[in-house]
Amino acid sequence: GAVVSQHPSRVICKSGTSVKIECRSLDFQATTMFWYRQFPKQSLMLMATSNEGSKATYEQGVEKDKFLINHASLTLSTLTVTSAHPEDSSFYICSARDDPNQPQHFGDGTRLSIL
Amino acid sequence: DQQVKQNSPSLSVQEGRISILNCDYTNSMFDYFLWYKKYPAEGPTFLISISSIKDKNEDGRFTVFLNKSAKHLSLHIVPSQPGDSAVYFCAAEGAQKLVFGQGTRLTINP
Repeated sequence: GAVVSQHPSRVICKSGTSVKIECRSLDFQATTMFWYRQFPKQSLMLMATSNEGSKATYEQGVEKDKFLINHASLTLSTLTVTSAHPEDSSFYICSARDDPNQPQHFGDGTRLSIL
Repeated sequence: DQQVKQNSPSLSVQEGRISILNCDYTNSMFDYFLWYKKYPAEGPTFLISISSIKDKNEDGRFTVFLNKSAKHLSLHIVPSQPGDSAVYFCAAEGAQKLVFGQGTRLTINP
């Protein structure tokens, strides 16, 4: 149980393109979803927290107009990297949970490469 | 400011022996601590956790110890098995947010 699916697993695109990443909870209802970014040899850094039906809460230093998050249903959240540039190249990973007292369950991540 | 630190980037242990992974934190407001295991090309998988009001939690071969006064936690795996080879992340939770360490790559040698 507690499976989180993330797509796509890898994206390579040109600078200026917008990229959408999907995160789905397959066998539970995710009241809260989280988006993280990981640069090489660094830890996972929380970007934003989203609750179904409400606006995402962004961490300090994360541009909300750059990283658009939508959590329209209890099983789906999307992260759109708008007008992506090479410095946005990173590993993006989502997590979800249905209960604040339960651990977060992670997707397999998306490797984004902007040329 | 790295609030959660795993100072050993890698650890190599003989099969059957005990693996000890360490983690230090700076924020005394963290109320929950977790260990995640990660294989290549997969997301982190939850392994074991401990509340800040406890000092030990055990689940099969895995035991997590918490020393609040030293702001230190450790994960013990005994006996270590080849399938335990992975990257292990320590994470601390406060205000419903997780802060991760940099990870330790554990290699179990046959």
